[in-house]
Amino acid sequence: EDQVTQSPEALRLQEGESSSLNCSYTVSGLRGLFWYRQDPGKGPEFLFTLYSAGEEKEKERLKATLTKKESFLHITAPKPEDSATYLCAVQARAAGNKLTFGGGTRVLVKP
Amino acid sequence: GAVVSQHPSRVICKSGTSVKIECRSLDFQATTMFWYRQFPKQSLMLMATSNEGSKATYEQGVEKDKFLINHASLTLSTLTVTSAHPEDSSFYICSAGGPMNTEAFFGQGTRLTVV
Repeated sequence: EDQVTQSPEALRLQEGESSSLNCSYTVSGLRGLFWYRQDPGKGPEFLFTLYSAGEEKEKERLKATLTKKESFLHITAPKPEDSATYLCAVQARAAGNKLTFGGGTRVLVKP
Repeated sequence: GAVVSQHPSRVICKSGTSVKIECRSLDFQATTMFWYRQFPKQSLMLMATSNEGSKATYEQGVEKDKFLINHASLTLSTLTVTSAHPEDSSFYICSAGGPMNTEAFFGQGTRLTVV
């Protein structure tokens, strides 16, 4: 059974204080690992898809990396508008477009 | 990225009534759509996979007769919560695979409150 574990559950940062979120996973044949951002009362917003170990992707202050067992989402010099819940999900090759989500990390960036 | 539109965004209904939620892929065709349920401060739990032209596949523990799914076209899937009760109050979200068939884009979600 595919499993995704995210840590920490919650993260409080000062504006400008860089940090990393962890996503550990076990999956039978990884097709892709996804990162989403979710604001309260909204649907998840797509950030990145990573397909193979060693791959990295960046978008503004966010950078996602992937190994064979985990992915990291690095937030560099965060701003208050980066406050959100960040969700990690895996997609197995045999599962079509089905995603298995982790519990998420709630990030609060204080000015 | 691809756009998935979900409607309504909020609905309040009386206990015992049924509520229909629509999920549309606006700029691509989706043979498969997914329906999730999310409780406060929790992650998304997959309820069912909606397949165009065939029956939906439900996850273990999800009542088929309570959560009716219809995927009548390549751009529209609907979830009907039948005989709703207060414990059905939740945030329901749909998703559809993108044109690359490895992506998943989400609707805005529907906040259902049953009173």
